[in-house]
Amino acid sequence: SQTIHQWPATLVQPVGSPLSLECTVEGTSNPNLYWYRQAAGRGLQLLFYSVGIGQISSEVPQNLSASRPQDRQFILSSKKLLLSDSGFYLCAVGSSGANVLTFGAGSRLTVL
Amino acid sequence: EDQVTQSPEALRLQEGESSSLNCSYTVSGLRGLFWYRQDPGKGPEFLFTLYSAGEEKEKERLKATLTKKESFLHITAPKPEDSATYLCAARVAGATNKLIFGTGTLLAVQP
Repeated sequence: SQTIHQWPATLVQPVGSPLSLECTVEGTSNPNLYWYRQAAGRGLQLLFYSVGIGQISSEVPQNLSASRPQDRQFILSSKKLLLSDSGFYLCAVGSSGANVLTFGAGSRLTVL
Repeated sequence: EDQVTQSPEALRLQEGESSSLNCSYTVSGLRGLFWYRQDPGKGPEFLFTLYSAGEEKEKERLKATLTKKESFLHITAPKPEDSATYLCAARVAGATNKLIFGTGTLLAVQP
């Protein structure tokens, strides 16, 4: 079965500082990987998805970027955080041929 | 524009008091309707997938149903441990597992 590791679990950063959130996956190979953001009072918003190493698709223009340096590693980054970047960031895995997304435990980001 | 709307936003029930949560959707080319449960501070946990109108699925006290425009999550004789946010999502046509999520229903079951 799949295991998803996300870190850090909680992060408090000042406006203008950089960001790096990491997601690694065990128990599957060549997965589709996703970054979602959940803001207060809003549904989960798809930010990026990746179908393979180095392949990133962006769903929403924003201050963030994503990279996939290895098959089971997905990184969310920002060079300069904005207040509006605060939220709960979730990494998800969709295995080939499976319709169900499995979510990690999430990273809570507060930008002050 | 693809959209998923859930109601009510919050629901408070007494233990044993059955009720239903609603998820209405407007999407081009539905490829599945998903229900997730989310506990505070955690990632969503998969409950059900429904693919065609008339389909029903059950798990313990939960039953999900699907029509051409909406889905219902029926909760029968709920217990306090059923308290959580329930999320509905529609998978739209395309090469990826893109899910459009609703904002969820926060369910509180009081003993």
